[in-house]
Amino acid sequence: NAGVTQTPKFQVLKTGQSMTLQCAQDMNHNSMYWYRQDPGMGLRLIYYSASEGTTDKGEVPNGYNVSRLNKREFSLRLESAAPSQTSVYFCASNRDRGVGWSNQPQHFGDGTRLSIL
Amino acid sequence: QKEVEQNSGPLSVPEGAIASLNCTYSDRGSQSFFWYRQYSGKSPELIMFIYSNGDKEDGRFTAQLNKASQYVSLLIRDSQPSDSATYLCAVNKGNTGNQFYFGTGTSLTVIP
Repeated sequence: NAGVTQTPKFQVLKTGQSMTLQCAQDMNHNSMYWYRQDPGMGLRLIYYSASEGTTDKGEVPNGYNVSRLNKREFSLRLESAAPSQTSVYFCASNRDRGVGWSNQPQHFGDGTRLSIL
Repeated sequence: QKEVEQNSGPLSVPEGAIASLNCTYSDRGSQSFFWYRQYSGKSPELIMFIYSNGDKEDGRFTAQLNKASQYVSLLIRDSQPSDSATYLCAVNKGNTGNQFYFGTGTSLTVIP
């Protein structure tokens, strides 16, 4: 099983450019998440989606938009990239309903390393 | 007040020693607790989870939960250099909407 797949793995952008980070999971999970991780800051939640068609802001949503295209896919878009958005971005998913749902961990993709010049 | 707090370290232990990693959480109603290991440049990977008070053992790893004190710990016995990584504590609050909250992680170095 592929689990959570993120593309691209690396990207360099210039300030003001736009791009979309893609995430797909094949575990039939309801919930999906986008985090950014910066040195010393831990994982900070950008947006999450509890189900297809719903999205909610996390701790640091400014400058980002998301789309939950279907149950499998959750994309993150930077409309006008800024140097402050240089970071490692992780997508995650988990099952949050059914028997034993509260014991289900989040599963992470390999991350996208994004540099904005 | 942060949902999950960890000592950022760095924590250094000699090879073969016991490494003890600690985590506290603020919401008394939190349901389950997870430890992730993250190697430099890699994504977090689940080590183990616990949801009942007491100890849970898995190989060289033991998770301990004390809900009265709102405290979770991870013990690594017979530490190996390959255990050198950042360890993230995560809490599932079991509520609707976003459920997961992560600590900032503790950096562990096992010295050969």
